[in-house]
Order: sequence, then structure tokens, then C-alpha cells
Amino acid sequence: GNSVTQMEGPVTLSEEAFLTINCTYTATGYPSLFWYVQYPGEGLQLLLKATKADDKGSNKGFEATYRKETTSFHLEKGSVQVSDSAVYFCALSWGYGNKLVFGAGTILRVKS
Amino acid sequence: GAGVSQSPRYKVAKRGQDVALRCDPISGHVSLFWYQQALGQGPEFLTYFQNEAQLDKSGLPSDRFFAERPEGSVSTLKIQRTQQEDSAVYLCASSSARIAGRSYEQYFGPGTRLTVT
Repeated sequence: GNSVTQMEGPVTLSEEAFLTINCTYTATGYPSLFWYVQYPGEGLQLLLKATKADDKGSNKGFEATYRKETTSFHLEKGSVQVSDSAVYFCALSWGYGNKLVFGAGTILRVKS
Repeated sequence: GAGVSQSPRYKVAKRGQDVALRCDPISGHVSLFWYQQALGQGPEFLTYFQNEAQLDKSGLPSDRFFAERPEGSVSTLKIQRTQQEDSAVYLCASSSARIAGRSYEQYFGPGTRLTVT
């Protein structure tokens, strides 16, 4: 079936460090891929998305590239800030209605 | 505001009680989704509506779970005879998607945290 696997956390970084959160997926067909973020005390928000192979999604300094050959959608940011501390979820959508399939989430903690 | 709202935000139920969780989607959004998020896990799909039609209920874990959206706007997720394993955050999301196979953003509500004691 369709599934998403992302690296376990928590990931703890110092401010201005480089961030990578790995995400791989298993899917039939060609799903769309997403990163959602959940800040403390807030609801899930879409961070970025890519709808086809080789697309790059980007937002707020975060980037991820849809790699069909490696079935991956790794999240990167060149210089993290304390305000980036949150839980990050990788997800794919497929099927009629485009329901989302989520990974387990990765906690990011950024220290000043 | 204009976002997705859910009520109540917190619900404590004794095992065996019935509960009803409400979702108010963004005005005009035809698609509505319910997800269940257990502690420390990602959300898992429960069911999907397009307007008032429930087109996919493959994620509902048992026949104790029932969802409706009678007028194509507000939706209610009902859980009968609650069990401890039903304790989770229940998320509602809406999108403007009208066409199957197209990826429209889903906007999430804050969730209802259900605790079954």
C-alpha cells in the first residue's frame, strides 16, 4: 500500500545550522508530495508541495525536490532559526479526493 | 476567522459513552476530510466527503464510527460506545478540490482532543 517513512527525531540543531529531514515514500502511480508543519499549540499548515517528478517545492527558506528515481522528498533549509522549532510531517496524496497519507513526524528543536 | 473550526477543542468521555465532534469547513470548500492522530504519530485518514456525499470511508476503524455532512457544509464525526483506543486528536480538513486527481491544498482545523477514561 501507500506509505511514507521519515527520519526519527528529535533533531536538535543550533541556530544557523543546515537542516535535512529525510522522507521516502512507497506508492502506486504518481502521488503528489507535501511537507506539513505543526508549530507548538497550532494546527497543521502546508509548508510546501510538489506534484510531479523533479518539481521543487519551496517556502520560507525550506526546499524539497520530488525524486522519483529514489522515491524521496527530503526537506532542507540552509540556515535554521529558533522559530523553525516544530513537528514536520511528510505526506503524499493519491486516489479519488486526494486523501493524505502522513509519515510519523519529525520533531525539530533549534537552540540559540 | 475564515479558517476551519472544530468543536469542542477537548472532550473527556467515559468508556462506553457516545461523542459527537463538529467541523465547520472554510466557506465554499466542497471537499472535507477527517483524520485521526494518535499521540506521537502522523494523522491517519478516516473519511472523505464531496459536498454531502461520503465518497470514501475506508479509514473508519469500526462500525462505531460514523460521519455525516447532510447539507454539504458542517460535518459531524460520531463515535459510539467509546473505547480507550479511541483516545486521539481528531482533525478536520477542507479543500476547494472539485476534480479528482488534482492536488488542492487541504486546510486543517485545530483538532479535537478526545480522551476516553
